[in-house]
Amino acid sequence: GEDVEQSLFLSVREGDSSVINCTYTDSSSTYLYWYKQEPGAGLQLLTYIFSNMDMKQDQRLTVLLNKKDKHLSLRIADTQTGDSAIYFCAEKGRSQGNLIFGKGTKLSVKP
Amino acid sequence: DTGVSQDPRHKITKRGQNVTFRCDPISEHNRLYWYRQTLGQGPEFLTYFQNEAQLEKSRLLSDRFSAERPKGSFSTLEIQRTEQGDSAMYLCASSGLRGTTSYEQYFGPGTRLTVT
Repeated sequence: GEDVEQSLFLSVREGDSSVINCTYTDSSSTYLYWYKQEPGAGLQLLTYIFSNMDMKQDQRLTVLLNKKDKHLSLRIADTQTGDSAIYFCAEKGRSQGNLIFGKGTKLSVKP
Repeated sequence: DTGVSQDPRHKITKRGQNVTFRCDPISEHNRLYWYRQTLGQGPEFLTYFQNEAQLEKSRLLSDRFSAERPKGSFSTLEIQRTEQGDSAMYLCASSGLRGTTSYEQYFGPGTRLTVT
């Protein structure tokens, strides 16, 4: 079945790079996403990548996709305290509509 | 456009009561989705509309849950005879129908339901 796995916690120092990893099981996934959720808020779409791409860069964010290993990562350069949040990896499911989310990685940025 | 909006933001209800939540999608978006998020988990898909048609429902959507989108604009999610296990954040998202907007789902702030 469809499943998305993420490590639950990551702690970094301000100014360092953060790398958040995700694995998924559905090899037919066409789009893979990263969302950010701050406490008590909804989800903010950060970036996404098509399955026929290996890498996508968007300002401080770099997404790497290894389709063979079904591994997705999000690198945040020059991490700031404002980046502290929960980051969710998601894949587009077999249906037309729904996204399948991981449990989220809580990123803590220490000054 | 101000994005996806949801009302109310918080709802406390007693077990057995009915509750209704509203979602207003981004105005030009044809597709609307409902998800449920419990503490420490990612959002789980409940149901999805394209215009006024409800195209998919997950197994999570028990008979006590019903969603509507009568005119293809706002949507409502009703939970009848609420149970404590219904306590969660209910998230709404919307996306367009064509091009890049068709695979970008934008979420509202959510409605947090507490069933006592």
